[in-house]
Amino acid sequence: SQQGEEDPQALSIQEGENATMNCSYKTSINNLQWYRQNSGRGLVHLILIRSNEREKHSGRLRVTLDTSKKSSSLLITASRAADTASYFCAYPSTSAAGNKLTFGGGTRVLVKP
Amino acid sequence: EPEVTQTPSHQVTQMGQEVILRCVPISNHLYFYWYRQILGQKVEFLVSFYNNEISEKSEIFDDQFSVERPDGSNFTLKIRSTKLEDSAMYFCASSAGTSGVTTDTQYFGPGTRLTVL
Repeated sequence: SQQGEEDPQALSIQEGENATMNCSYKTSINNLQWYRQNSGRGLVHLILIRSNEREKHSGRLRVTLDTSKKSSSLLITASRAADTASYFCAYPSTSAAGNKLTFGGGTRVLVKP
Repeated sequence: EPEVTQTPSHQVTQMGQEVILRCVPISNHLYFYWYRQILGQKVEFLVSFYNNEISEKSEIFDDQFSVERPDGSNFTLKIRSTKLEDSAMYFCASSAGTSGVTTDTQYFGPGTRLTVL
């Protein structure tokens, strides 16, 4: 299977509920980043978690990283209709050039008002 | 807040034509990137650029593609002879390069939607 896989692929929730999505990867990483993409628009950086961090918060977002399981999760608490978007995990390569991001396939989140 | 900008937002071209996609990275950033996203697919890395040269490129970035930083602010992607399969959203990104290249946040522009007919 491809690296940087998110699950679920799609998620539909009611406003006010929490949304959780997961990302798995196969290589060693220095950090993992989460991005949001509204339909047909650009990628907005949400949060970066480093390999020596287990959990990070930013507003209503909580990201965890488990390097032993090569997985990360993104939790959006108290979701709003405006959170409707696709969410992608991405991580940089660890080569000497080291800076290309590999993206997962994304989770499409629909928050119903 | 500084942001990456891209022009045009939408480019329609005929197969075989040359296109130039333009980007203005965040002003004090040192690393620049192009990615693309074919409709419904993953975002794919094309090329990274640092110190006026390509630092890494993917298999997609063949001889038909080139990048340039013609002045202190613009960063361009040229496709010499477009193919139907080049139709995609093209994203420019930049990163500061101050905290170590592999730990930098990459900031993306809004994208240029390229349609090849």
